[in-house]
Amino acid sequence: KAGVTQTPRYLIKTRGQQVTLSCSPISGHRSVSWYQQTPGQGLQFLFEYFSETQRNKGNFPGRFSGRQFSNSRSEMNVSTLELGDSALYLCASSLVSGGASDTQYFGPGTRLTVL
Amino acid sequence: DQQVKQNSPSLSVQEGRISILNCDYTNSMFDYFLWYKKYPAEGPTFLISISSIKDKNEDGRFTVFLNKSAKHLSLHIVPSQPGDSAVYFCAASEAGYGNKLVFGAGTILRVKS
Repeated sequence: KAGVTQTPRYLIKTRGQQVTLSCSPISGHRSVSWYQQTPGQGLQFLFEYFSETQRNKGNFPGRFSGRQFSNSRSEMNVSTLELGDSALYLCASSLVSGGASDTQYFGPGTRLTVL
Repeated sequence: DQQVKQNSPSLSVQEGRISILNCDYTNSMFDYFLWYKKYPAEGPTFLISISSIKDKNEDGRFTVFLNKSAKHLSLHIVPSQPGDSAVYFCAASEAGYGNKLVFGAGTILRVKS
């Protein structure tokens, strides 16, 4: 079974631009979560989508948004990019949302650099 | 406010010996705990998990222990192999919060041959 895929793998943008990242979950998984990893803040939860609905949201500004499609694929968008948005953005998928046995599997990430 | 803490930034172990990675948490509502391994420029790889109703879970060379009263969990790797060298993250989730994982800062494990 194919794992979680993320595109693109690397991206360079300039301040003020916007960016869209894509995530395809493992086949059959309906939940997709997004995380940001930076050297200073570590791995932080951005949001989770399940059945096309945002289920949870982390403490990030409204410039960070996402959506999920009927085939469970998800996109996240960052508008008005700032230098501090430079990070590795990770997507994780799981069968359902929550539960004491629902493991999340991560994709390879998209490395975003904001100049 | 760090709810999940990995107080050891790094750990060095000889090949064949036991590696013990520790994790503490403050939120008593966490009910599911996971360990992930991560190589640079890759996503975290799931290793092992444990529910709060258990105190031990084993999978091959990996064993996770949970001490709820101390709000402490540990990952034991026996025997350690050079390929185990990576960053290890402890993560926790809370019932009712879906798949929101709270991660520790990670511990760099180096296994020397």
